[in-house]
Amino acid sequence: DIQMTQSPSSLSASVGDRVTITCRASQSISSYLNWYQQKPGKAPNLLIYAASSLQSGVPSRFSGSESGTDFTLTITNLQPEDFATYYCQQSYNTPLTFGGGTKVEIK
Amino acid sequence: EVQLLESGGGLVQPGGSLRLSCAASGFTFSSSAMSWVRQTPGKGLEWVAAISGSGGSTYYADSVKGRFTISRDNSKNTLSLQMNSLRAEDTAVYYCAKDRGRNFGVVTRFDYWGQGTLVTVSS
Repeated sequence: DIQMTQSPSSLSASVGDRVTITCRASQSISSYLNWYQQKPGKAPNLLIYAASSLQSGVPSRFSGSESGTDFTLTITNLQPEDFATYYCQQSYNTPLTFGGGTKVEIK
Repeated sequence: EVQLLESGGGLVQPGGSLRLSCAASGFTFSSSAMSWVRQTPGKGLEWVAAISGSGGSTYYADSVKGRFTISRDNSKNTLSLQMNSLRAEDTAVYYCAKDRGRNFGVVTRFDYWGQGTLVTVSS
């Protein structure tokens, strides 16, 4: 199985900050990497697909990038509604696997 | 508006069975592959099973292979997960998730999710 390692597991940030979350795949997954946001008691919500494509309806302050097996989710100008947990997910191989999550908390 | 509504969760004893359902609306159901994804506080998100839009292809995580069966009824816009020989480690919130495409594979991404249904396996 492909292991997806997210870092950090949590971070504290302030409104207006720029936040970066990293996801590392245990092997090459090409660009088959998706990012989700999850708020407490809710289902995950797709933010970014294919490493860098913004899902329809998602604010442009969210962006994704890749470098080899390292993938990054960046949130610029952090907003109050962005405090949540973020997960990466690879679709290169079955079983699909998710990262362990990064909780973004208010500083 | 796309809606996915899970049902069927509950408390079951180890070794027991449970059938989850997901009622879909707001999109052409047969045009989307569907998956079940579960979430536990300790293990995070875990993909469980998937089925193609036609229902002709199914896929399972090793942890549930041989015990769980995913199926769909495109005439009723319903996705199901039959869970047998349940174990304590199957305790989780189970989500049905809509795939962007008709076939499950490398371009799979879950663009809509249900609200989840809790399955608790305990004596």
